[in-house]
Amino acid sequence: GAGVSQSPSNKVTEKGKDVELRCDPISGHTALYWYRQSLGQGLEFLIYFQGNSAPDKSGLPSDRFSAERTGGSVSTLTIQRTQQEDSAVYLCASSVASGGAYEQYFGPGTRLTVT
Amino acid sequence: AQSVTQLDSHVSVSEGTPVLLRCNYSSSYSPSLFWYVQHPNKGLQLLLKYTSAATLVKGINGFEAEFKKSETSFHLTKPSAHMSDAAEYFCVVIAGGTSYGKLTFGQGTILTVHP
Repeated sequence: GAGVSQSPSNKVTEKGKDVELRCDPISGHTALYWYRQSLGQGLEFLIYFQGNSAPDKSGLPSDRFSAERTGGSVSTLTIQRTQQEDSAVYLCASSVASGGAYEQYFGPGTRLTVT
Repeated sequence: AQSVTQLDSHVSVSEGTPVLLRCNYSSSYSPSLFWYVQHPNKGLQLLLKYTSAATLVKGINGFEAEFKKSETSFHLTKPSAHMSDAAEYFCVVIAGGTSYGKLTFGQGTILTVHP
């Protein structure tokens, strides 16, 4: 079956512009996560959605970052007024439910380059 | 709070020799622990997971890991390395006792396999 998909695969943007990154989770998965992988910081958690509960935004690095999940499925991560330090690979993952017992399936990522 | 420390940033082995990738964890609760692998230009893939069942966990591609609470360790091993094992490996923890699903990643170990 289809895995987690992300679009675009690559995005180059100018400093100060806004970008939107999209994640399509596996159908039926109620939990959705965003992570960021960068050279300096490694892999770090950004935000997490579980069903209809309020999202856990504790990993968002600044108020320029926001995410939403519409209809419990597709999610969009928005970065406003991009900075060069936002350059990274943004990974989305989904799981059947939240918690350690449930495997998170990762998408291929979106490589963001801010020039 | 929980964290993981991968003790080696790079490990180099010859094909056919054993692999040992070391990981120590810190968690206030009984943790769930995972190893993920990332091949070049590929997404993250789950190798194996420990969720308070058997302490010796077997994963895909001949890898296994042993949970040692007394040593707070979860080292990844494989008896005989293959060229295809060359990749980056991440030790990952989720704090137990809740349904919380946020993964905390170690800094990664790059495994190089020489012919």
